[in-house]
Amino acid sequence: DTGVSQNPRHKITKRGQNVTFRCDPISEHNRLYWYRQTLGQGPEFLTYFQNEAQLEKSRLLSDRFSAERPKGSFSTLEIQRTEQGDSAMYLCASRTGPNYEQYFGPGTRLTVT
Amino acid sequence: GENVEQHPSTLSVQEGDSAVIKCTYSDSASNYFPWYKQELGKGPQLIIDIRSNVGEKKDQRIAVTLNKTAKHFSLHITETQPEDSAVYFCAASNSNYQLIWGAGTKLIIKP
Repeated sequence: DTGVSQNPRHKITKRGQNVTFRCDPISEHNRLYWYRQTLGQGPEFLTYFQNEAQLEKSRLLSDRFSAERPKGSFSTLEIQRTEQGDSAMYLCASRTGPNYEQYFGPGTRLTVT
Repeated sequence: GENVEQHPSTLSVQEGDSAVIKCTYSDSASNYFPWYKQELGKGPQLIIDIRSNVGEKKDQRIAVTLNKTAKHFSLHITETQPEDSAVYFCAASNSNYQLIWGAGTKLIIKP
């Protein structure tokens, strides 16, 4: 257990529905990342927060995806109007400012039917 | 753009033997190289990392070597055990802290 928690662990939804995932990073970590991982692939970067500021978003990130970190602690990732192609593992990672090491949560497995 | 290539995609070794996984990177500005282990249904776990000012780092049965000139780095696992079976990912990062990931190696330890 790295200290990064994610909820829910699994989510099954129907195409067109909205879903929201939550990530609680290690408490002293002010940097937070969201990744998406499909079977047999490495994690794909989605977005990055420093405290509450969203500093970077992947060009691959559709307008249907939005992320927030309102108080610089936990973060949420929302997917609107889900599509079958959104089915994947959504991973959250955190680190402290000057350090490179990213610590990952267990992920949320999304299945869109 | 930046790229990290990882080989092999699958590696099967006898329990007790050594395993070596290799990665090459394209961005000469990369200065941080972590290795992650991912078990089925779990998030990646950082197992060892190396900075660009070091050529080798060891932690018990795990070691990482870095050749900056050739732009490649390797993970070495000695005396492999069944619990070493997992998918291993290498990554590279430059000063923007962004990780560029390899495609992963599925390591199978045969009893």
